[in-house]
Amino acid sequence: KQEVTQIPAALSVPEGENLVLNCSFTDSAIYNLQWFRQDPGKGLTSLLLIQSSQREQTSGRLNASLDKSSGRSTLYIAASQPGDSATYLCAVAGSGGYQKVTFGIGTKLQVIP
Amino acid sequence: GAVVSQHPSRVICKSGTSVKIECRSLDFQATTMFWYRQFPKKSLMLMATSNEGSKATYEQGVEKDKFLINHASLTLSTLTVTSAHPEDSSFYICSAREWNYGYTFGSGTRLTVV
Repeated sequence: KQEVTQIPAALSVPEGENLVLNCSFTDSAIYNLQWFRQDPGKGLTSLLLIQSSQREQTSGRLNASLDKSSGRSTLYIAASQPGDSATYLCAVAGSGGYQKVTFGIGTKLQVIP
Repeated sequence: GAVVSQHPSRVICKSGTSVKIECRSLDFQATTMFWYRQFPKKSLMLMATSNEGSKATYEQGVEKDKFLINHASLTLSTLTVTSAHPEDSSFYICSAREWNYGYTFGSGTRLTVV
């Protein structure tokens, strides 16, 4: 059974700092890994999708890496802004069947102006 | 990009009534959709996998008679919470998988049963 862990659970940083969010998973047989953002009371917004054959993906100030063999992914946010404040979720899709997705509990980020 | 629309975003209902939540893929066909439930301070939990034209596959511990799923077309799946009770109050989110964009999620439905 896949388990996804995100560390830290919460993070508070001053505006402008670069930061790293961590995600680890127990079963390396994955189809892909996806990072989402969730604002309070809202749905999920996809940030980056990394296929199992890829090592990283970049979008603007965001960079996500994937090390399948060690079961780890990181989300790097450069030059953080108050608008980045949200909960960031890591989701791992398994490689069998319907590629069942397992979510981490998320990292709640607060960027202080 | 792939867009999934979920409706309603918020619903309040009386205990004992039923509530239907719709999930539509707007610009792609989704033979499979997924329904999740989010508990406070917990990760999203998969409830069931909705398959177009066939019965849904429910996760262990999810009552299929309580949470009725219908996937009648390639763009629409519905979740009906039957005889809702306060413990069914939660945040429900649907998703569909699109090849290039991975899993796209709806905006979620906040259900409050009073």
